Amino acid sequence: GENVEQHPSTLSVQEGDSAVIKCTYSDSASNYFPWYKQELGKRPQLIIDIRSNVGEKKDQRIAVTLNKTAKHFSLHITETQPEDSAVYFCAAPTGSARQLTFGSGTQLTVLP
Amino acid sequence: SAVISQKPSRDICQRGTSLTIQCQVDSQVTMMFWYRQQPGQSLTLIATANQGSEATYESGFVIDKFPISRPNLTFSTLTVSNMSPEDSSIYLCSVAEVSGANVLTFGAGSRLTVL
Repeated sequence: GENVEQHPSTLSVQEGDSAVIKCTYSDSASNYFPWYKQELGKRPQLIIDIRSNVGEKKDQRIAVTLNKTAKHFSLHITETQPEDSAVYFCAAPTGSARQLTFGSGTQLTVLP
Repeated sequence: SAVISQKPSRDICQRGTSLTIQCQVDSQVTMMFWYRQQPGQSLTLIATANQGSEATYESGFVIDKFPISRPNLTFSTLTVSNMSPEDSSIYLCSVAEVSGANVLTFGAGSRLTVL
């Protein structure tokens, strides 16, 4: 099955700075890479995803990049705000039924 | 996206008892999954709930401990059997959105504390 590794486990940035979270995956056949944000006490919610036919995708202040050769993908958040503080999970497909394997999570803290 | 209702939202349980968690979706979905999130940890897939047949369990999870029902395309239950403190976790129902491969929407979760 798929193995997803995520770094760093914690990340603190000053408000307005950028944050980068990185993930690697093991299955070269994987073709879909989502990022979920989980605020304290809330459910995980999809914030951005990328499919293997593109190298980068942006949505306002967030972007995801994919390097299929190296089997890694990254989440970039620019101009961070206190409301960006949350746990972020990367994921990759596993199995034949559209399941996802999640990374270990990154606790992002944006300091005002 | 699909709207998922899960209940109970939280419960405190005694060791050795069992608890059933319900997941109701506002539309018919083909793929429904149950995840576990232990305190401060990531999400771990327990099983895929198959409509009309036995659930497909991931390594480390067995039907006797986590029996699952899926009577139709909008509803599923997960039972946590013979609970111990190690079962204290958040259990999340999720569905795969019809609109996109592997896009998952999650329920709010059921936070179980086992004493």
